[in-house]
Amino acid sequence: DTAVSQTPKYLVTQMGNDKSIKCEQNLGHDTMYWYKQDSKKFLKIMFSYNNKELIINETVPNRFSPKSPDKAHLNLHINSLELGDSAVYFCASSLDRAGGGYTFGSGTRLTVV
Amino acid sequence: DAKTTQPNSMESNEEEPVHLPCNHSTISGTDYIHWYRQLPSQGPEYVIHGLTSNVNNRMASLAIAEDRKSSTLILHRATLRDAAVYYCILPKTSYDKVIFGPGTSLSVIP
Repeated sequence: DTAVSQTPKYLVTQMGNDKSIKCEQNLGHDTMYWYKQDSKKFLKIMFSYNNKELIINETVPNRFSPKSPDKAHLNLHINSLELGDSAVYFCASSLDRAGGGYTFGSGTRLTVV
Repeated sequence: DAKTTQPNSMESNEEEPVHLPCNHSTISGTDYIHWYRQLPSQGPEYVIHGLTSNVNNRMASLAIAEDRKSSTLILHRATLRDAAVYYCILPKTSYDKVIFGPGTSLSVIP
């Protein structure tokens, strides 16, 4: 079983569309994250949830909205997609906010055309 | 988070040891030093972490300077599978605002 799984792996869509990326973890972790990796290989945090509660919301356009139906899931909805949204998005989880190590998903490569 | 500095790239021959350095001169007393690596087309994976003492696990060793202002990740025998980007990070007690990057891109030559 994959510890942190995200779908889809690839997503190609047109500008202006709305899309979602799903993430699930089966590790029993309390904290989940969305990271964005740009072309320069930096991974920057977008959102962090702890037990379904939003605890970090970095400077991200409000077209991006995370939703956590339960602590094992953190989905990312993106409205009105723009060319600049093209990137690889990673979901991750950690045991709790005190650290202990991230476990990352394999990423979703989003291409907006 | 305290800033880390790593070389952009390094090369190693297969089956030779690799020493990947990281400078973190602004580290605070409670900051753990963590290393992750990202294989091509995958998410980062945990490698090792430590506070003050050197650490060993099945993947690597971590040597921490006495003043903790630098550390070195040691891969004892590089394999082709070790070709990846290696990130040195210093998360606070939570991982909330950690930025990974740009890291060291390690190439392993057969």
